[in-house]
Amino acid sequence: DTGVSQNPRHKITKRGQNVTFRCDPISEHNRLYWYRQTLGQGPEFLTYFQNEAQLEKSRLLSDRFSAERPKGSFSTLEIQRTEQGDSAMYLCASSAVPGQGLVSDYGYTFGSGTRLTVV
Amino acid sequence: AQSVTQLDSQVPVFEEAPVELRCNYSSSVSVYLFWYVQYPNQGLQLLLKYLSGSTLVKGINGFEAEFNKSQTSFHLRKPSVHISDTAEYFCAVSDSGAGSYQLTFGKGTKLSVIP
Repeated sequence: DTGVSQNPRHKITKRGQNVTFRCDPISEHNRLYWYRQTLGQGPEFLTYFQNEAQLEKSRLLSDRFSAERPKGSFSTLEIQRTEQGDSAMYLCASSAVPGQGLVSDYGYTFGSGTRLTVV
Repeated sequence: AQSVTQLDSQVPVFEEAPVELRCNYSSSVSVYLFWYVQYPNQGLQLLLKYLSGSTLVKGINGFEAEFNKSQTSFHLRKPSVHISDTAEYFCAVSDSGAGSYQLTFGKGTKLSVIP
């Protein structure tokens, strides 16, 4: 198990372009989360999946953002018509469903993130 | 809704001295509590977590934290810090009952260890 993998690590794009990020979670984890972290702030929740179903979306996730998790494995986060305000670190995390297995095993594992810079 | 307040944005401390990073939370339901560490341009690494049971939780790298329900606090401590502990530390809370279990984070505390 190599943990949560995110690609690319860095992305520089021009304003108005579309970008897509990928997250590969820990294979045994059926929950996958996306967070956004701007400079000087803690991560903020964007959305999460349980298996392939997207169960909740934050109001931070404007209609320019779309996330998918086909077949309940990897996930993609796409931002259309990027704006300078989208510049941030995008973090992916996975976890098992709380209540399944030992409570002591519950927790999130985060990837290294994708840093997006919109110029 | 839940919220997390990390009372200090920056904490400088000399090497081998003790440190305490403070965290208070607000929630109307039972919670799980976490501390994460983030090194520059990296993701978040779990230091420790409180899920249930003993209120004193020990984590990696010699860190520990104590859950105080009456004071709604979860302060992080280390008796003797090293240069390698220089990083940003985030306290986070999630609902323990049901739902998304999404994490709500504080704004972080930058720990600077001075040689």
